[in-house]
Amino acid sequence: AQSVTQLDSQVPVFEEAPVELRCNYSSSVSVYLFWYVQYPNQGLQLLLKYLSGSTLVKGINGFEAEFNKSQTSFHLRKPSVHISDTAEYFCAVSELRGGTSYGKLTFGQGTILTVHP
Amino acid sequence: DGGITQSPKYLFRKEGQNVTLSCEQNLNHDAMYWYRQDPGQGLRLIYYSQIVNDFQKGDIAEGYSVSREKKESFPLTVTSAQKNPTAFYLCASRPDRGNSPLHFGNGTRLTVT
Repeated sequence: AQSVTQLDSQVPVFEEAPVELRCNYSSSVSVYLFWYVQYPNQGLQLLLKYLSGSTLVKGINGFEAEFNKSQTSFHLRKPSVHISDTAEYFCAVSELRGGTSYGKLTFGQGTILTVHP
Repeated sequence: DGGITQSPKYLFRKEGQNVTLSCEQNLNHDAMYWYRQDPGQGLRLIYYSQIVNDFQKGDIAEGYSVSREKKESFPLTVTSAQKNPTAFYLCASRPDRGNSPLHFGNGTRLTVT
């Protein structure tokens, strides 16, 4: 069974600083990888996804992530954060079986990003 | 606009009562999912349905029940057998295509006292 570990539960940064949110996964088969963002008392919004191809994936709001198969990681980065990026971020993985994903996502525990002025 | 509607936003119940959370989507998605979110634990899958009149248990199905009588609707009942029902519940859906991501509703916060 797959598992996802987000290595930091909280990440405080100052506005305009770069940030990296770390995610490692474990799976015995190929996977799809996702990052979602959640603002307080709201649902999750997709930031970006890795399905195949280029290991560097660009998403919305200036975020990007790099898939590293050898290290089983999918870290999320942004070169310069804004106050509005303050939210909780979730890494998620979906296993492929027979080349098909059934949409069952396994989520990490979440990382709360707090951007200070 | 298409989307997923969860109602109500906040729900309060007394211990020992069953309660049903509503989830409706007008995205014409085939598959629907219920997740439970607790602080510091991420999201855990309760039930999912890939087609009308069929559904499967997720990782934490005990104390919950669902139905899928219509494509647009996937209600979740939290029964009195659920030992710790207070949580934030999220409904999601996706088309039945291999690489489509999940779309989420805005959640229902259930408090049981």
